[in-house]
Amino acid sequence: NAGVTQTPKFRILKIGQSMTLQCAQDMNHNYMYWYRQDPGMGLKLIYYSVGAGITDKGEVPNGYNVSRSTTEDFPLRLELAAPSQTSVYFCASRLTQRAMNTGELFFGEGSRLTVL
Amino acid sequence: KNEVEQSPQNLTAQEGEFITINCSYSVGISALHWLQQHPGGGIVSLFMLSSGKKKHGRLIATINIQEKHSSLHITASHPRDSAVYICAAPRSGGSNYKLTFGKGTLLTVNP
Repeated sequence: NAGVTQTPKFRILKIGQSMTLQCAQDMNHNYMYWYRQDPGMGLKLIYYSVGAGITDKGEVPNGYNVSRSTTEDFPLRLELAAPSQTSVYFCASRLTQRAMNTGELFFGEGSRLTVL
Repeated sequence: KNEVEQSPQNLTAQEGEFITINCSYSVGISALHWLQQHPGGGIVSLFMLSSGKKKHGRLIATINIQEKHSSLHITASHPRDSAVYICAAPRSGGSNYKLTFGKGTLLTVNP
């Protein structure tokens, strides 16, 4: 298994540009997450999904959009990029069942985004 | 919301030393996570535990549910253990799928 694959690893955007961060997992995990990591801060949840066709906002959703058309893919869209979106983005997934403790988290390698 | 506090923020040790990193949380939880992040690298899950103790190689994680406290121990530390260690707990007692992350503990192990 490849685990969680994120692309691109690095990207520089100009203010106002848009882009999509790709995330794919091949472990048939139902839960998927997008986090951003800023220096000196804990990971912050942007959006999450509990299954195909279901997404919901996290702590810091403004300026982002997601979709989950398949179990495997969970792309994060940045519209009208702003300098405040300069960060490292991590996608993660886990297998979670309501009747059991939630599963271990698996992270992608991260995407470093700079908005100038 | 579950506040998660880690201590210390930074820790420098000599190779071979016993390391302890602490994590306190404010809301009762079903499982707490310990993660490792190497500089410039990705994040790897080390442990997920809901009671007692877990051991993997030189790493040991303990949790005290009553005191809302968890510790990560590294025995016989090695320079390759240098990384940021992060604990994470569910945002509220009944909601396991959204986690609150600590700010991390930067561990540097010198040879």
